[in-house]
Amino acid sequence: SQKIEQNSEALNIQEGKTATLTCNYTNYSPAYLQWYRQDPGRGPVFLLLIRENEKEKRKERLKVTFDTTLKQSLFHITASQPADSATYLCALWSGSSNTGKLIFGQGTTLQVKP
Amino acid sequence: EAQVTQNPRYLITVTGKKLTVTCSQNMNHEYMSWYRQDPGLGLRQIYYSMNVEVTDKGDVPEGYKVSRKEKRNFPLILESPSPNQTSLYFCASSSPRQTGTIYFGEGSWLTVV
Repeated sequence: SQKIEQNSEALNIQEGKTATLTCNYTNYSPAYLQWYRQDPGRGPVFLLLIRENEKEKRKERLKVTFDTTLKQSLFHITASQPADSATYLCALWSGSSNTGKLIFGQGTTLQVKP
Repeated sequence: EAQVTQNPRYLITVTGKKLTVTCSQNMNHEYMSWYRQDPGLGLRQIYYSMNVEVTDKGDVPEGYKVSRKEKRNFPLILESPSPNQTSLYFCASSSPRQTGTIYFGEGSWLTVV
């Protein structure tokens, strides 16, 4: 079955630096891959969706890449701020193109220090 | 304002006492889903619904039931709750299903003693 792996260790960086988070998946490449932000005790908030035919997607200080050969997506936050501190989750639809199964990685916690 | 509303937000209940967690969305979305989140296990899908009267199992459906009689509502039913169902539960909706923004509710903290 499809699985997602995210680095379970927290990522600590200094304010102003670029944070890079990794999402690796097994088996087949999904048509879409998504990234979410989750704050403690709150529901995940959708950030970006990238399609399999897109190498890169940007939104303000966020950038996502999608490498179907490596079966990997990278999530970058440039000029990071303490307010970016949160857990970041990647997710993909598992199964056929008509699937309703959405699976999540366990998330990577980012801590941005002033 | 686009919203997914869950109730109750916090509940402590006893083993075996049936309970229902309600979920309602105001965006006319076809797709709705339930997840549970546990430390070290992440978010796991319980059930999902493609549309009214269409539901299917996610990865961890045991001990849960759902129904989708109306487009806006997707209640999660625990017929006989057990302590291993103590968790943080999230409802979500989207349209279109795979490319639309998925909106999550604020979560329901459930403790079964």
